[in-house]
Amino acid sequence: EVVLTQSPGPLSLSPGERATLSCRASQSVSSSYLAWYQQKAGQAPRLLIYGASNRATGTPDRFSGSGSGTDFTLTISRLEPEDFAVYYCQQYGNSLLTFGGGTKVEIK
Amino acid sequence: QVQLVQSGAEVKKPGASVKVSCKASGYTFTSYYMHWVRQAPGQGLEWMGIINPNGGSTTYTQKFQGRVTMTRDTSTSTVYMDLSSLRSEDTAVYYCAAGGSTRLDHWGQGTLVTVSS
Repeated sequence: EVVLTQSPGPLSLSPGERATLSCRASQSVSSSYLAWYQQKAGQAPRLLIYGASNRATGTPDRFSGSGSGTDFTLTISRLEPEDFAVYYCQQYGNSLLTFGGGTKVEIK
Repeated sequence: QVQLVQSGAEVKKPGASVKVSCKASGYTFTSYYMHWVRQAPGQGLEWMGIINPNGGSTTYTQKFQGRVTMTRDTSTSTVYMDLSSLRSEDTAVYYCAAGGSTRLDHWGQGTLVTVSS
């Protein structure tokens, strides 16, 4: 099973700042199979990024994903008030999916 | 638009079973796989398994093998997740999510299952 480790935890930033979230895999992951989700308090998660760098429908362009192999990054260029939430990475491999432990982006 | 509507909250005793439903609308039911994910209070997301509505084949994580059964009813566009031998650690919000086999595009609202004596 591929283990995904997310860092940092938590991330305290102010609106307008840049957020950089990391997701590290215990073994190489195909970029095609790496996704990011946003979860706000009391809500279901929402798909943000798939294929490591493709924005899902409705994802603002301030969100971008990058990376390959074992290291992936989600970047929020300028934090808006609605972006303060928990972010999860997820991978698919050998017919199984796993999630990272999540990174909380909180208001400083 | 894609909508996934899940059944209501459940309270169960240890050792019992629970069956959560997820009714899909807004798309062709067999076009998306359906995943089940759970989230214990204050914890992260845990993938449980997947069902292909087209044919009904399933894959479960090893952790839930033997305790979980995922089924579908194509006549009502509904998928079901049955979890048996419940214990307190199974207290969580259970989500269905539709998507490809590799990612989860659309999520239900979640169903809280509480296991308590």
